[in-house]
Amino acid sequence: AQKITQTQPGMFVQEKEAVTLDCTYDTSDPSYGLFWYKQPSSGEMIFLIYQGSYDQQNATEGRYSLNFQKARKSANLVISASQLGDSAMYFCAMRESPGAGSYQLTFGKGTKLSVIP
Amino acid sequence: ETGVTQTPRHLVMGMTNKKSLKCEQHLGHNAMYWYKQSAKKPLELMFVYNFKEQTENNSVPSRFSPECPNSSHLFLHLHTLQPEDSALYLCASSQFVGGTTDTQYFGPGTRLTVL
Repeated sequence: AQKITQTQPGMFVQEKEAVTLDCTYDTSDPSYGLFWYKQPSSGEMIFLIYQGSYDQQNATEGRYSLNFQKARKSANLVISASQLGDSAMYFCAMRESPGAGSYQLTFGKGTKLSVIP
Repeated sequence: ETGVTQTPRHLVMGMTNKKSLKCEQHLGHNAMYWYKQSAKKPLELMFVYNFKEQTENNSVPSRFSPECPNSSHLFLHLHTLQPEDSALYLCASSQFVGGTTDTQYFGPGTRLTVL
């Protein structure tokens, strides 16, 4: 079974609108971390935002926020006021505690976001 | 230089060549990683180094040979590669290996083409 599922291969959003990128995860470990990365066409993976499993509040970083619904095992990324520079691949990733296995960061397959002027 | 740098950015090599990829991090981190990103596949972890010691090798073929001389530098030595090894190779670093909060920071990658 996939540990990280991103069901939207591609999405379009109008410039200045908000967009939600979906991510669901699968773990039996009570302690884990969830990450979102952005990968422009240049290739570099850029860290956006982190959410810990025990964090009481949803993480926010500027225009990025994470809609964390623990019971549903979902960690959706919300980008507000989309900009043309937001066009990129977006990856959700999870890191489980060392006791659950290795220190691997497990990535989803990604969502390609295109911002339309 | 800041962050994580990788050289070269692009590399074309024949199957009999020997080449090396270089990664350098300027973040004062103690852990470094090599990942492979092939088209339409999730990012695959290849190797993990923590304080210069290799802590993980994800069943990577021996034609890929990593080297970590210190916590700031990581190399990936390549020899007798196959066309299916063509991919984007990403280097990352983090403060330390372990814990769920440890954030990895990536370099720009080396796009490798094997002819």
